[in-house]
Amino acid sequence: GAVVSQHPSWVICKSGTSVKIECRSLDFQATTMFWYRQFPKQSLMLMATSNEGSKATYEQGVEKDKFLINHASLTLSTLTVTSAHPEDSSFYICSVRPSRTDTQYFGPGTRLTVL
Amino acid sequence: QQPVQSPQAVILREGEDAVINCSSSKALYSVHWYRQKHGEAPVFLMILLKGGEQKGHEKISASFNEKKQQSSLYLTASQLSYSGTYFCGPPPGGFKTIFGAGTRLFVKA
Repeated sequence: GAVVSQHPSWVICKSGTSVKIECRSLDFQATTMFWYRQFPKQSLMLMATSNEGSKATYEQGVEKDKFLINHASLTLSTLTVTSAHPEDSSFYICSVRPSRTDTQYFGPGTRLTVL
Repeated sequence: QQPVQSPQAVILREGEDAVINCSSSKALYSVHWYRQKHGEAPVFLMILLKGGEQKGHEKISASFNEKKQQSSLYLTASQLSYSGTYFCGPPPGGFKTIFGAGTRLFVKA
């Protein structure tokens, strides 16, 4: 099956710092990637749709200036949490949707803890 | 509006069947099902696009009613590996994509 990697797997940072999370599609080119956030014992929350070569489309209520998404190549999308605060601590997950399919392949997720 | 999933939780013995329902107050373009094991990222299970559609793979199948407001996931002869939380939701990327709260399934030997 398709493999999607995320880096780092986990990160602990101080309040006010920025954290970059990478999502790589290892098996195929991905024009569309998705970024999710999940708080403990809660459902998935889609943050944004990342489209290669264009601006990300953010879901309602997600601050685009705080969660910067860059999808500069067909195999890499990055999510930068700027000026992170403790309430940004969460499980961040990316997924890849290959062209001409509806299937999503999820990365293993990144656990962010902001102190 | 968040799709409503039922039951919230279910405990099964290995080999038993389970049904998880997902209801929406408005018609969905499609419904997606996911399974997430504790501490892991979700795994995409399947998508249903058409009203009245039924599809499946091995012992996991799903249906989508004609009005496209209700979907059910069927787990047949459950295995220990089926344990996890199951989510339903619309296709991602609709500006206000809201997933169901999840159904926690625990299969015991």
